[in-house]
Amino acid sequence: DTGVSQDPRHKITKRGQNVTFRCDPISEHNRLYWYRQTLGQGPEFLTYFQNEAQLEKSRLLSDRFSAERPKGSFSTLEIQRTEQGDSAMYLCASSPKDRNHGYTFGSGTRLTVV
Amino acid sequence: AQSVTQLDSQVPVFEEAPVELRCNYSSSVSVYLFWYVQYPNQGLQLLLKYLSGSTLVKGINGFEAEFNKSQTSFHLRKPSVHISDTAEYFCAVRPPWAYSGGSNYKLTFGKGTLLTVNP
Repeated sequence: DTGVSQDPRHKITKRGQNVTFRCDPISEHNRLYWYRQTLGQGPEFLTYFQNEAQLEKSRLLSDRFSAERPKGSFSTLEIQRTEQGDSAMYLCASSPKDRNHGYTFGSGTRLTVV
Repeated sequence: AQSVTQLDSQVPVFEEAPVELRCNYSSSVSVYLFWYVQYPNQGLQLLLKYLSGSTLVKGINGFEAEFNKSQTSFHLRKPSVHISDTAEYFCAVRPPWAYSGGSNYKLTFGKGTLLTVNP
């Protein structure tokens, strides 16, 4: 069990640029989640995958955001035309089929839009 | 829908003192309850969870929490804290998997409590 890996750990980008983050869940976990955490707040749900199917997207995810999980393995979260309000920690988590198992979170990607 | 209120945004304590971090929740359905800890620039680590059964739950690092259904609370306690316990603590809830109303995988978090342990 190598844990949930996120890459990059930090990203600084200019407003208007596109960014993409990657999450590698624990290999046997079929469920994957993205959350966003802004300063002084708890994490907020963004989206959920069961295997390769994206089953729910939060209203927080505007049209500039897109997430994929091809083949039900790693996932990517892309933000197009970044805005300063997108600055946050983006957290990925995964969980197995055992529904009583807790989630395992990655260390997050901290995005700063300047 | 669920909501979580963490009553204290910051809790300063001295080393070896006891601590209680308070969490209240609101939900129209029964929920599972969780406490997570976040160290600076890191992700969240699960401390403990309540799914059912005994209302006193023991977790890692000497923490425990008690579920009180009548007061809709799930306070976190530790009898003696260490400097290394300094971190942000988040209370979270989600519906049980058996809940058929949808979004039973979605964690709802409180805003967090920053625990600072001073020497």
